[in-house]
Amino acid sequence: RKEVEQDPGPFNVPEGATVAFNCTYSNSASQSFFWYRQDCRKEPKLLMSVYSSGNEDGRFTAQLNRASQYISLLIRDSKLSDSATYLCVVNKEAGFGNEKLTFGTGTRLTIIP
Amino acid sequence: DGGITQSPKYLFRKEGQNVTLSCEQNLNHDAMYWYRQDPGQGLRLIYYSQIVNDFQKGDIAEGYSVSREKKESFPLTVTSAQKNPTAFYLCASSGRQGGRTQHFGDGTRLSIL
Repeated sequence: RKEVEQDPGPFNVPEGATVAFNCTYSNSASQSFFWYRQDCRKEPKLLMSVYSSGNEDGRFTAQLNRASQYISLLIRDSKLSDSATYLCVVNKEAGFGNEKLTFGTGTRLTIIP
Repeated sequence: DGGITQSPKYLFRKEGQNVTLSCEQNLNHDAMYWYRQDPGQGLRLIYYSQIVNDFQKGDIAEGYSVSREKKESFPLTVTSAQKNPTAFYLCASSGRQGGRTQHFGDGTRLSIL
């Protein structure tokens, strides 16, 4: 089983739609969680951290379920500029300097005009 | 502006040749990382360094070497022992100032001639 699993997609959704991505992780001791966005042939960029209580940043909502080892990302009112690959990222270890991140393979999203 | 600079953007290697990829950061981050990304796969950790003059192997260190003589610099050498070096190489750094999240350079694409 992969340490971080994501549906690779592609997800092709119309502009303005709401889209949700899921991610599961295998290590129950994982400490912190992130969503990164990666545009085609570019570097990953941090989209948002994921907190146990759930958190929102504009049109983006992230949630964490530690019991089920499940992370989600919801994008509302999707824009053409949201087209990208979304990477689910998990930090296995605690403590500064021990940020050994494990990356999912990514979910590719295309917003259709 | 503060950031991470990788060079070159594109690099071609002949069979049996060692090549060195540069990574420089002016973010005053203590930790630096090298990842490799192949199509359809998540980022995989090659080496990481938490402080100057210290570094540890990641998940796929064979065929690679690094040095950390200065805080700002973490060069990666792809040796001739790496039999499948064609990939997108990403350098990242993290520090207390940035909330310990990893920030990436814009990558180097390495191809074999």
